[in-house]
Amino acid sequence: SQTIHQWPATLVQPVGSPLSLECTVEGTSNPNLYWYRQAAGRGLQLLFYSVGIGQISSEVPQNLSASRPQDRQFILSSKKLLLSDSGFYLCAWSQGTSNQPQHFGDGTRLSIL
Amino acid sequence: SQELEQSPQSLIVQEGKNLTINCTSSKTLYGLYWYKQKYGEGLIFLMMLQKGGEEKSHEKITAKLDEKKQQSSLHITASQPSHAGIYLCGAPPGGADGLTFGKGTHLIIQP
Repeated sequence: SQTIHQWPATLVQPVGSPLSLECTVEGTSNPNLYWYRQAAGRGLQLLFYSVGIGQISSEVPQNLSASRPQDRQFILSSKKLLLSDSGFYLCAWSQGTSNQPQHFGDGTRLSIL
Repeated sequence: SQELEQSPQSLIVQEGKNLTINCTSSKTLYGLYWYKQKYGEGLIFLMMLQKGGEEKSHEKITAKLDEKKQQSSLHITASQPSHAGIYLCGAPPGGADGLTFGKGTHLIIQP
């Protein structure tokens, strides 16, 4: 069966520091991969998605970037964190065909001080 | 862009009672997904609806998509403490794009 792993579970970072969140999927090949952010009062917002290695689409211009160095690995990064980057970050995957449900990881709680 | 509005925003229900959560789209839905989230955790996929008039059930949870494909409802029968959490509806704009989500309905079950 397929599983998705996100780490770390929680992270406290100072403003201006770099960020790297990692997500890996097991048990499937060529999945679609997604990064979402869930901020209080704002719901779940799609940040990036990827349909293949090196292919990244950005939904919201911002301080963050994403990379997919391997088929089942998705990384969310920032060179300099802002206070507004605080939130709950969720990685998700789906089968590489349309109209398939997305399956989510357990999330990373990011707090910026 | 598509917007999903969920109602109610929060709901407190006595254990054993039935309840309904609604999700209304600003545009025709090409699929509708229901998820459940426990506080501070990831989303758990519940059901997917695609056809107008479609209805699916899993244990005590039933989801429907109306004929016009602009509204979905989630109904829980004989609610239990394990049903507590945040229920979110999500819809795809198409293709491999990510989902647009409603803001969620916070469900509390009172013993």
